[in-house]
Amino acid sequence: GAVVSQHPSWVICKSGTSVKIECRSLDFQATTMFWYRQFPKQSLMLMATSNEGSKATYEQGVEKDKFLINHASLTLSTLTVTSAHPEDSSFYICSAPPAAGLSYEQYFGPGTRLTVT
Amino acid sequence: TQLLEQSPQFLSIQEGENLTVYCNSSSVFSSLQWYRQEPGEGPVLLVTVVTGGEVKKLKRLTFQFGDARKDSSLHITAAQPGDTGLYLCAPREGDFGNEKLTFGTGTRLTIIP
Repeated sequence: GAVVSQHPSWVICKSGTSVKIECRSLDFQATTMFWYRQFPKQSLMLMATSNEGSKATYEQGVEKDKFLINHASLTLSTLTVTSAHPEDSSFYICSAPPAAGLSYEQYFGPGTRLTVT
Repeated sequence: TQLLEQSPQFLSIQEGENLTVYCNSSSVFSSLQWYRQEPGEGPVLLVTVVTGGEVKKLKRLTFQFGDARKDSSLHITAAQPGDTGLYLCAPREGDFGNEKLTFGTGTRLTIIP
């Protein structure tokens, strides 16, 4: 089956610094990818839709200047958390839907755990 | 954004027991998916239900989509420790290739050996 990878799997950074998280589709092309955030004991919250070759679409309440998304190729989307603060500590997960008409399944990455100290 | 309430929020039962978890909304969905997530991992798709009243079985798991396509349930028979995880429902929005998933509040299930 299709595989989505994320890098790094976990990262610790100091408050005020920026950190970049990569999401790659390994054996298929993804014109669209999604970024989610999950706090402990909670569900996944959709943050934004990453569109290859165009601007990302952010969900209400998500700061686009803080969470920079770049989808520069058909297999890679990046999420950069700028000026990170402890409240940004969370589990970040990306996903990619299959090519049009092929399947209902959406493929999720294994997640990146971010800890801001 | 549609709000999906899942109940119960937490459930801890003994191995071998049966259980049902629910996913409810006031909105009508064209289709709905159930996922299971284990700690430190991404969610894994269990099933997609499309037709009102549809029932799908996956071994000991039975999924039902409400007749009005506003709610869904997941019934597990003879629960096993391997069933432990966070169960999430999510309606599908958008066309093939551009789906957006908005997850429900989740049910965290713990099966005690």
